[in-house]
Amino acid sequence: DSGVTQTPKHLITATGQRVTLRCSPRSGDLSVYWYQQSLDQGLQFLIQYYNGEERAKGNILERFSAQQFPDLHSELNLSSLELGDSALYFCASSPGVRPRGYQETQYFGPGTRLLVL
Amino acid sequence: GQSLEQPSEVTAVEGAIVQINCTYQTSGFYGLSWYQQHDGGAPTFLSYNALDGLEETGRFSSFLSRSDSYGYLLLQELQMKDSASYFCAVHGAGSYQLTFGKGTKLSVIP
Repeated sequence: DSGVTQTPKHLITATGQRVTLRCSPRSGDLSVYWYQQSLDQGLQFLIQYYNGEERAKGNILERFSAQQFPDLHSELNLSSLELGDSALYFCASSPGVRPRGYQETQYFGPGTRLLVL
Repeated sequence: GQSLEQPSEVTAVEGAIVQINCTYQTSGFYGLSWYQQHDGGAPTFLSYNALDGLEETGRFSSFLSRSDSYGYLLLQELQMKDSASYFCAVHGAGSYQLTFGKGTKLSVIP
């Protein structure tokens, strides 16, 4: 158990819909990362938040957005869902105290499996 | 940008040694991490190299050659529970994000 929690574990929805995935980081971690994992693309970095502010952006679609709240939990919002958005969505956290580029181990949550029908 | 290459699948016998290679191309490089992921599970951190050479953690070792843009993960005394996917990931210089390879699926057979 990494200490990172994600809800829900599974989500089934229809195309065109909107969903919200929730993540609570490990106690004390200030950085939260979101990743998408699909069979053919591996783990794709989407976005990072640090202490409530966006810190880095990866391959995140405009239909997707995220935020980190004052209690440090984070939400990933996926809208106008398409079949291709079906994937595992992971949240990870790290202390966030090291400078840019320095290694911080990222601790991954159990993931949310999204199926868009 | 950054790209990483690793073999898609490797099969090895229980008790043996296996090496999973990773080559990377990046505009800036700080270090290379390795993560393990069992089917249906979350990635978990295994090892990290920022400097050239070998880092050993129990049965697992990781090696980095910055001049060759190359690293590998070495798993010794393979156990059935080591069957999983293994990902290398680059820490880019001046970047907060990790860029992952597509993973190597390791199957350990009796």
